Formats: sequence, structure tokens, C-alpha cells
Amino acid sequence: AQKVTQAQTEISVVEKEDVTLDCVYETRDTTYYLFWYKQPPSGELVFLIRRNSFDEQNEISGRYSWNFQKSTSSFNFTITASQVVDSAVYFCALSEAGGGADGLTFGKGTHLIIQP
Amino acid sequence: DAMVIQNPRYQVTQFGKPVTLSCSQTLNHNVMYWYQQKSSQAPKLLFHYYDKDFNNEADTPDNFQSRRPNTSFCFLDIRSPGLGDAAMYLCATSRVRRGGNEQFFGPGTRLTVL
Repeated sequence: AQKVTQAQTEISVVEKEDVTLDCVYETRDTTYYLFWYKQPPSGELVFLIRRNSFDEQNEISGRYSWNFQKSTSSFNFTITASQVVDSAVYFCALSEAGGGADGLTFGKGTHLIIQP
Repeated sequence: DAMVIQNPRYQVTQFGKPVTLSCSQTLNHNVMYWYQQKSSQAPKLLFHYYDKDFNNEADTPDNFQSRRPNTSFCFLDIRSPGLGDAAMYLCATSRVRRGGNEQFFGPGTRLTVL
């Protein structure tokens, strides 16, 4: 069975600080996909990134970066120079079945609060 | 803009009174999903349609049903809502392809059961 653990329930930082959100996953499949979604107070889940199990390259997109390490089954997300607009709940998610139609297994989410 | 639309955004129903939530998409994706998200919890998959094929999660209560009359629309029917069914219901779509299929979510319908 697959499982995603986000141990940090809530993180509060002051604007412009860097912050890292942790994600640890469990799966028996050799092919799987990892995702990060952002859920602002409006409720809509916004897709941020997809990473497949064969690609351990880290990725940077503006102030966002992701560190995927299969050795530790982790897929951590870092926001550099945080801004108030980054305040949201962030979910890490896992999909098995090699890209099929299966749904996502989400972690419990990390509520990120950026204080001005 | 291509998108996933959910109506209504807020729905109030009475205990035991059937309710239907709707989802439509302009992305022409072949898979549509329904998730339930209770307060401060992760979204939980209820079921999905892969084209016309319905796939129910093992722990989804029988009280929850779904219909997909065409590619663009999918409905969630709650036959006899209980107080425990109050939640945000999220519709998502994806296109099945090699390389993993990210899901695109609608804004959700927040259901209140009185």
C-alpha cells in the first residue's frame, strides 16, 4: 500500500525567510509519480510539480525548488524568500500504476503561514 | 481558458435529502475523479471514471454514487446525506498518458448538511 507522510502540520515563518516542506513516501512500485499541490484559502488545489521515479534531478522554478531523493524516499519542497501570497496548505501526493488513471494518495498537508 | 468547473460552490442540504453535485470540464480529459476533503484533512478519493468505466474505491460508502453522461460532465450523487458527509467535494480531471498524469482540480463544492 502506498502512503505519504507530511510530518509538519503547520509552519510559520516571517516573510523573506526560506522554508522547506518535508514529504516522505512509501510505495512498493518501482514506477511511481510524486506531486505537490497548493491549496490556498479559496479551496482549489493548484498543481505545482510532477516528478517520476526515474528522474532524481532536482528542479527549480522561480522561488520554488524540489529535492527528490529515492534513497530516503523523500520529495521535499523549498520556497526561497517566502512571500505572504505563499500562505496556503501544501499537499504532497503519490500516484502508482505507471501513469494510469489511478487517483492520488495525498499526505495530510502542511499549513504554511507567512507573516508580513 | 480550459478549466474544471464545479457547481454549485456551496450546497446546503438536509439530513437524508438527496443531493447532486456537478462537475464539468473543457480540457477534454478522459478521466474524471471525485474526492472528499473534510476539514483540515487530505483529499480522499471516492471514485473515478476512465472514459465510461466507473472505478469505485473499496471504502467508498454505497451512499455515494456517480454518473458521467458524456466526456465533459460528471455528477456526484449522495443518496441520503448524513452529518458526517459535510465536506468539500473536489472534482479533478486528467489525461492518461505515459509520464504520469497530473490532475487538475476544480474549485470544489462545500456541502453543509443540516
